[in-house]
Amino acid sequence: DAEITQSPRHKITETGRQVTLACHQTWNHNNMFWYRQDLGHGLRLIHYSYGVQDTNKGEVSDGYSVSRSNTEDLPLTLESAASSQTSVYFCASSESTARSKGVLFFGEGSRLTVL
Amino acid sequence: LAKTTQPISMDSYEGQEVNITCSHNNIATNDYITWYQQFPSQGPRFIIQGYKTKVTNEVASLFIPADRKSSTLSLPRVSLSDTAVYYCLVVDTGSARQLTFGSGTQLTVLP
Repeated sequence: DAEITQSPRHKITETGRQVTLACHQTWNHNNMFWYRQDLGHGLRLIHYSYGVQDTNKGEVSDGYSVSRSNTEDLPLTLESAASSQTSVYFCASSESTARSKGVLFFGEGSRLTVL
Repeated sequence: LAKTTQPISMDSYEGQEVNITCSHNNIATNDYITWYQQFPSQGPRFIIQGYKTKVTNEVASLFIPADRKSSTLSLPRVSLSDTAVYYCLVVDTGSARQLTFGSGTQLTVLP
């Protein structure tokens, strides 16, 4: 079955370190998204991509970067981790927007703790 | 950018029908209304989507009045396993920036 997987599921790191969270989907979806979820804030969009070589900033993109070198993967990088980036991160994907009408398929999440 | 407003929390008892209403006064012509369910430690899961009138699937019904300024998710005969956070999204198919989630509604089903 097609799926979307995130790794690692849990990570503890130190302030200032670079961290990369992986996201891999096997649906061949064009669109991929990264969200963070914090208590009281729901899910907030970090970055998104409409296809290979396309990346766009979401509402909370500062301190994060993504790259899209193939259809299946959208890794999220924290260049210099900060305690404020302690959160649960969710990756999602969808078909090309006109067909999907915004229906997203989410991964199981990656819990990141920055000490 | 169409904003949504939902109740922060709701309680219900097993076997009852639960209706969660979402307000979206600035909904645009091309917008669709989509609901997701999220259990603790899991990613959100798509429940139902609609544009107008009524949509029903095996999980829920979605009622959308003619002016489309609100929508109601209806869960028939809830069980304890329906305890979750429910999110309402208004999505313009042309803009991923509108794929933003609010805080959702925490539904607690009591025995």
